[in-house]
Amino acid sequence: KAGVTQTPRYLIKTRGQQVTLSCSPISGHRSVSWYQQTPGQGLQFLFEYFSETQRNKGNFPGRFSGRQFSNSRSEMNVSTLELGDSALYLCASSLATSGDTQYFGPGTRLTVL
Amino acid sequence: GENVEQHPSTLSVQEGDSAVIKCTYSDSASNYFPWYKQELGKRPQLIIDIRSNVGEKKDQRIAVTLNKTAKHFSLHITETQPEDSAVYFCAASSGSARQLTFGSGTQLTVLP
Repeated sequence: KAGVTQTPRYLIKTRGQQVTLSCSPISGHRSVSWYQQTPGQGLQFLFEYFSETQRNKGNFPGRFSGRQFSNSRSEMNVSTLELGDSALYLCASSLATSGDTQYFGPGTRLTVL
Repeated sequence: GENVEQHPSTLSVQEGDSAVIKCTYSDSASNYFPWYKQELGKRPQLIIDIRSNVGEKKDQRIAVTLNKTAKHFSLHITETQPEDSAVYFCAASSGSARQLTFGSGTQLTVLP
């Protein structure tokens, strides 16, 4: 099976802009989670989607949002970008049951200037 | 919420020696504990995981132990090789949540 894919791999934006990142899960996986990775804060959970519904949300401001489509692909959006949003954004897919392994995509490297 | 602490932050070992990384968690409801390896510029890759109904799990040179009473779990790598050099993250999740709470990572360097 193909692994988790993310597009684009790299993005450069300026403060105040918005950005949309895309994630395609492993075929058959219905849950998609998003994480932010920075040198200072490490890996932090953003949100999780299942069957087009957000089921869990981390401690991030409302500028961070997401959605999931009927084919399980997911997008996350960050509005009004700040310098501190520069990070590697990782998505992970898993099956729907508890304690499932999460498989990570390669990430999108976002740089905010 | 859950809090996961990981130690040490850096670890250097000679090739062939063993490496041990330890994590503690705060939420007694946590029941799933994966370990990920992340090489520079690459995605985190699952190397082993353990569930709360198991005390120990082994896969070739890698083993994980879990002490539910003390709320800590550890990664053991034996006969380390240079290709084991990477950052290792522990994580925990509870119940039906697919929300992983990660430790801060351990940079493992295996010296040839």
